[in-house]
Amino acid sequence: AQSVTQPEDQVNVAEGNPLTVKCTYSVSGNPYLFWYVQYPNRGLQFLLKYITGDNLVKGSYGFEAEFNKSQTSFHLKKPSALVSDSALYFCAVRDPWGGSYIPTFGRGTSLIVHP
Amino acid sequence: NAGVTQTPKFQVLKTGQSMTLQCAQDMNHEYMSWYRQDPGMGLRLIHYSVGAGITDQGEVPNGYNVSRSTTEDFPLRLLSAAPSQTSVYFCASMTSRNTGELFFGEGSRLTVL
Repeated sequence: AQSVTQPEDQVNVAEGNPLTVKCTYSVSGNPYLFWYVQYPNRGLQFLLKYITGDNLVKGSYGFEAEFNKSQTSFHLKKPSALVSDSALYFCAVRDPWGGSYIPTFGRGTSLIVHP
Repeated sequence: NAGVTQTPKFQVLKTGQSMTLQCAQDMNHEYMSWYRQDPGMGLRLIHYSVGAGITDQGEVPNGYNVSRSTTEDFPLRLLSAAPSQTSVYFCASMTSRNTGELFFGEGSRLTVL
């Protein structure tokens, strides 16, 4: 079975500071990992994904994420936070080699960037 | 390019009423799915489909019905609405390629009184 844990319900950061939103996963095979962002009253939007290759993945709006197989983590990062980054962030995992076509989502982390 | 379109955006029902949430995508995606989003619960999968004529249950299927007669459309039916079905519903689609990401609609906010 596949699962995703986002250990923080909320992350607070000052504008201009670096931000990290944490995600750990559990799969039986090699994971496909995704980050999505949800702005208020909107649907989820794809940010970035790790499939294979370089462990550091760059995505939209200056976000990046680092895949760490030994720690089973895929933390989302940004060097300098903006107030407009305030949103709900979801990590998701798929395990196609484990037979699961369907992504599993974490519960989401609310990012609040203070001016 | 419309992507994933959901209607209606808002709906208020009385307990016991029925309704259908519509979802259409114009990207020729094989996979379509319905989620509900509740505070503190994240996204929970209701039903999904890997192609026309094929549907399957997700994590929370009770009280919901789906069909997939075409590649484009994946309606979600509530046969007898209950207050516990008050939620925000999202439709999402993706290609059958394993590396694909999900494309989401803008959501349908349903209130059952």
